[in-house]
Amino acid sequence: NAGVIQTPRHKVTGKGQEATLWCEPISGHSAVFWYRQTIVQGLEFLTYFRNQAPIDDSGMPKERFSAQMPNQSHSTLKIQSTQPQDSAVYLCASSLASGNTLYFGEGSRLIVV
Amino acid sequence: QEKVQQSPESLIVPEGAMSSLNCTFSNSASQSIWWYQQHPGKGPEALISIFSNGNKKEGRLTVYLNRASLHVSLHIRDSQPSDSAVYLCAVSILAGSFNKLTFGAGTRLAVCP
Repeated sequence: NAGVIQTPRHKVTGKGQEATLWCEPISGHSAVFWYRQTIVQGLEFLTYFRNQAPIDDSGMPKERFSAQMPNQSHSTLKIQSTQPQDSAVYLCASSLASGNTLYFGEGSRLIVV
Repeated sequence: QEKVQQSPESLIVPEGAMSSLNCTFSNSASQSIWWYQQHPGKGPEALISIFSNGNKKEGRLTVYLNRASLHVSLHIRDSQPSDSAVYLCAVSILAGSFNKLTFGAGTRLAVCP
């Protein structure tokens, strides 16, 4: 089992550009989560999918962030018009169900210059 | 909004010593409390979880939960240099239809040979 796979591992983008991050959850896991990690804020919940359906996006900055899960094998997090404050490590995690062990990927480090 | 506080921020112990990490949370209705370990450049990895008051032991790890005082602690016996990492306390709260994990800021543990 390869674990949760996230690509790219590192991305540098200019202010105002778009960034798309990809996540491949562990096969058979029905729950997919996105978190953002910074030194200042720590690990923050962004959004959650169950069986590909969006369940909770209460942590997503409303205007520029969007997440999708078009099929059970991948999810994307898109950030439009990136700002320096979006610089962070974006972590994807999957689990058999919410409440069970979360398995995290290694993260995508986004730097906005 | 669940609040999770961890102490100390950092901890240095000699090899073979006991490492003790603390976590307090704000919601007595929390479901499970989890401890995750995170090495540099990696995603968090689940170590141990506890739901009921009391203690739980797995290998060199022991967790104590006191729901009345909203406190949980993690103790690592016979600490090894490979235990050096950031330890994240996470509290699971039922949010609508799913269990949402809220993370503390972490304790950075360094075990010196």
